[in-house]
Amino acid sequence: AQSVTQPDIHITVSEGASLELRCNYSYGATPYLFWYVQSPGQGLQLLLKYFSGDTLVQGIKGFEAEFKRSQSSFNLRKPSVHWSDAAEYFCAVASYGNKLVFGAGTILRVKS
Amino acid sequence: DVKVTQSSRYLVKRTGEKVFLECVQDMDHENMFWYRQDPGLGLRLIYFSYDVKMKEKGDIPEGYSVSREKKERFSLILESASTNQTSMYLCASSFILQGTTGELFFGEGSRLTVL
Repeated sequence: AQSVTQPDIHITVSEGASLELRCNYSYGATPYLFWYVQSPGQGLQLLLKYFSGDTLVQGIKGFEAEFKRSQSSFNLRKPSVHWSDAAEYFCAVASYGNKLVFGAGTILRVKS
Repeated sequence: DVKVTQSSRYLVKRTGEKVFLECVQDMDHENMFWYRQDPGLGLRLIYFSYDVKMKEKGDIPEGYSVSREKKERFSLILESASTNQTSMYLCASSFILQGTTGELFFGEGSRLTVL
């Protein structure tokens, strides 16, 4: 069965520092991969997605992610974090059966 | 912009009450989903639908049912609410894409408290 692992439940970074959120997936075919962000009390907003082509994808709010098939990873990065980036981040893979499988999420805290 | 609208942001119900959560999307998406979100457990799929009157069980369907009479509307029903159904409920919709789903568009969520 398809699965997504986000190994870090919480991450704290200083404002202006770089960020990398890890995501590993289990899927037999070429995956469709997504990163979503959720601010407190809100729904999820798509940051970026990978379907095919260039393995480095750019998203909104200055985020990017790199698909590495050999490592089954799709890590999210940002070169300089802003206080407004504090939120919960979810990685997801589109699976057989026409649905998304989500990771458990990583809560990002930003220190000023 | 795609809009997914959930009818209620906050609800408070009593144990045993019947609860309806409504969701409407305006982008003619084939797929619609209901997720439940609890701290530390991420998003868990309750039910989804890929067409009118079609539904599939997700990972945690027990205690829930759904209805999709029109393409744009997907309702989640709690026949007899219990305290362990206190949670945030998220509706989403998407296109079918090459046999699976494209990106999901989410509503703002409905926070249900069952007393």
